[in-house]
Amino acid sequence: AQRVTQPEKLLSVFKGAPVELKCNYSYSGSPELFWYVQYSRQRLQLLLRHISRESIKGFTADLNKGETSFHLKKPFAQEEDSAMYYCALDYNQGGKLIFGQGTELSVKP
Amino acid sequence: EAGVTQFPSHSVIEKGQTVTLRCDPISGHDNLYWYRRVMGKEIKFLLHFVKESKQDESGMPNNRFLAERTGGTYSTLKVQPAELEDSGVYFCASSQEAGTYGYTFGSGTRLTVV
Repeated sequence: AQRVTQPEKLLSVFKGAPVELKCNYSYSGSPELFWYVQYSRQRLQLLLRHISRESIKGFTADLNKGETSFHLKKPFAQEEDSAMYYCALDYNQGGKLIFGQGTELSVKP
Repeated sequence: EAGVTQFPSHSVIEKGQTVTLRCDPISGHDNLYWYRRVMGKEIKFLLHFVKESKQDESGMPNNRFLAERTGGTYSTLKVQPAELEDSGVYFCASSQEAGTYGYTFGSGTRLTVV
């Protein structure tokens, strides 16, 4: 069955430290993967999609099909990065997303 | 461009009552999705409209939930009768094309059934 796993419920780092939010997926075909972010009192918004291979707000994510992972990374965390991050899989390109449970990132000063 | 609008933002109802949630997608977006997050669980898909047609309603939990999108514009999600386990945040999202481009989400409706 298709599944997205985010093993960490909470990740706490200091400002300036590197951060990696883990995401693993289970899917036999070619997945479309996304990272969504929800800042405090704001709506869920798209951060990255793997197909675009872009860097947004200093974050990057690389799809590793061998390890079935799509980890989100940033070399130097900022306090404004504190938020809830969700990894999501669109497994049939039909728009139906399967979400991980989310990781709360807390960046301390 | 106006975003995806949901209302009410909060709703507290008693078990057995009926509640209707509304979602106004971005104008021109044919695809409209409903998701929900119950306490402590992940965000789960409920259903997907393409214009006024239900493309996929595999996530609807039971027949107490009824979603409509008359005319292919706004959508409503009715819960009747509401149960305690229906409490959670209900999200609506819309997109111009399904699949690779991601969605725009609304702010969600927090439903509490007491």
